Amino acid sequence: GDSVTQMEGPVTLSEEAFLTINCTYTATGYPSLFWYVQYPGEGLQLLLKATKADDKGSNKGFEATYRKETTSFHLEKGSVQVSDSAVYFCALKPTPSGTYKYIFGTGTRLKVLA
Amino acid sequence: GAVVSQHPSWVICKSGTSVKIECRSLDFQATTMFWYRQFPKQSLMLMATSNEGSKATYEQGVEKDKFLINHASLTLSTLTVTSAHPEDSSFYICSASAPETSGSYEQYFGPGTRLTVT
Repeated sequence: GDSVTQMEGPVTLSEEAFLTINCTYTATGYPSLFWYVQYPGEGLQLLLKATKADDKGSNKGFEATYRKETTSFHLEKGSVQVSDSAVYFCALKPTPSGTYKYIFGTGTRLKVLA
Repeated sequence: GAVVSQHPSWVICKSGTSVKIECRSLDFQATTMFWYRQFPKQSLMLMATSNEGSKATYEQGVEKDKFLINHASLTLSTLTVTSAHPEDSSFYICSASAPETSGSYEQYFGPGTRLTVT
């Protein structure tokens, strides 16, 4: 079945370091891919998304490219800040249209030190 | 646009009582709403999918008699935890789905409700 695999955390970085959080997926068809961020005690916020191969989603300095050949959607940021400390979830929507259940990765906790 | 609210944001109840959590789509009509449960430091676990005017579809292992879901209108779904016990303490998150101009349906998430059963 469809699945999402994220790198294990926690990830601890110094401020201004480069961030990569790996996400790979297994799916049939043409899924949409998402990154969500969850700050402590809060719900999920959509960070970015991509709906087709080679699309690049970007927001707040974060970006991820939908790579169909490697079935990946890695999250990157060139210079992290303390305020980026949160849990990041990679998610997949199995079909590009129609209401359908999302499949979430296990989440990667990021801690950025000043 | 596409704002989803939840109420209450946190609730403490005594063991054996029931508690109701509301999920509202504030600026759009949601044909489908989803309820998730999140344990500390873990991912979201989908509990059920509800469509307006019909019975909810529960995921395997979720007790439908314990977690009552009602989706009475296109902007409101409720989750009632009946006869709550300490093991029901968790963070409950809802999401609402609405059609995009592309024809796809995205989920918009509420801020979550923290339930503590004493």
